[in-house]
Amino acid sequence: QSVLTQPPSASGTPGQRVTISCSGDTSNIGSNTISWYQQLPGTAPKLLIYDNNQRPSGVPDRFSGSKSGTSASLAISGLQSEDEADYYCAAWDDSLNGWVFGGGTKLTVL
Amino acid sequence: QVQLQESGPGLVKPSQTLSLTCTVSGGSIRSSSYYWSWIRQPAGKGLEWIGRIYASGSTIYNPSLKSRVTISVDTSKNHFSLKLSSVTAADTAVYFCARYNDILTGLSSWGQGTLVTVSS
Repeated sequence: QSVLTQPPSASGTPGQRVTISCSGDTSNIGSNTISWYQQLPGTAPKLLIYDNNQRPSGVPDRFSGSKSGTSASLAISGLQSEDEADYYCAAWDDSLNGWVFGGGTKLTVL
Repeated sequence: QVQLQESGPGLVKPSQTLSLTCTVSGGSIRSSSYYWSWIRQPAGKGLEWIGRIYASGSTIYNPSLKSRVTISVDTSKNHFSLKLSSVTAADTAVYFCARYNDILTGLSSWGQGTLVTVSS
């Protein structure tokens, strides 16, 4: 049972815009910033978004993040087949004094 | 560009201690402001943070694993290590090492991961 809640799956067709939600509480998302990770099959997670809506160098601007209260979302516009992956949200939890993750959302590009 | 590489036995017997090392290249582990973490992922499941260490040796562990976990750092070898005692099949997972600069900046660099299977 993950501390942050994500839908297990999401899907879209090429070119579409999809969003993935992440829900937490006041000790994690409500108090700290959120980051998002993309995990392609058989590889390590890769930082996609940090500080709620910032992209590391090299991440396309098709990826965007937002946060409101104790929830956050990742949006992917202009969906491409290469975006098919698992996506995880994460935040620091002040109660646990550590990182907590969502259970992951498997994105399928139809 | 810093790189992290996990190493260690891929098979551990139940009740024994799992030991892994993460070697850092392209940067010094002594570098200020970085925290060095271990994270694991059972097959087909999500990510679980195990703990972190600072170059000074200061540690924080996941409360659910705290009684069995030790993370240490060897700055002379530019690596940090994980020991997980009294393992069971539930500890079978891919283990990743990663680093972060600040909780604002997220876990910015990851190792490729290493599969550890607990089985007799």
